[in-house]
Amino acid sequence: DAKTTQPPSMDCAEGRAANLPCNHSTISGNEYVYWYRQIHSQGPQYIIHGLKNNETNEMASLIITEDRKSSTLILPHATLRDTAVYYCIVRVAGGGADGLTFGKGTHLIIQP
Amino acid sequence: GAVVSQHPSWVICKSGTSVKIECRSLDFQATTMFWYRQFPKQSLMLMATSNEGSKATYEQGVEKDKFLINHASLTLSTLTVTSAHPEDSSFYICSAAGGARAYEQYFGPGTRLTVT
Repeated sequence: DAKTTQPPSMDCAEGRAANLPCNHSTISGNEYVYWYRQIHSQGPQYIIHGLKNNETNEMASLIITEDRKSSTLILPHATLRDTAVYYCIVRVAGGGADGLTFGKGTHLIIQP
Repeated sequence: GAVVSQHPSWVICKSGTSVKIECRSLDFQATTMFWYRQFPKQSLMLMATSNEGSKATYEQGVEKDKFLINHASLTLSTLTVTSAHPEDSSFYICSAAGGARAYEQYFGPGTRLTVT
């Protein structure tokens, strides 16, 4: 799986949009960008994934650059409950049979 | 989303004893289950992958005789830490995939193991 690079930490004010960047310059053509988050002392939670088009669901939006070398996860209206470590993972879709490789992620802190 | 449970949520055991952790997929049949370990302030590390009815595949550096994994049914996998030592104290997390949910992994809430 391609390696990803994320800032170690970010702050965001409650109610504002949180934009979390991820670099994945070595991504292959058949690899998707997945985002998970882990709230303290809990198991990871799937957020969203995409290949090359922007994606949106009830939790977040995912913006992938045209060259696919980077992406941004957007939480449109951050709440205190969004404080967590966010992991950007690049993997082949349909890879439910493969274990995930977690990097260090970004610790997002939502400030009241 | 799919529901995966773990039991117990936390456990304290004495050095030298064994402890079993259960991982259950509650609303789907998990043909594949994964076990991860997370030390404080570190990221999750994959320990092993198990397919129902088959022997688990362990990651490099994980002792298969120490961390026994059984995936005897499509809804249950167990991880047994044998002869536990204080350095085995960690947060153990399972995930499951399969059936209609084969393209994604769903994580359990984790089990905090403390070995004294």
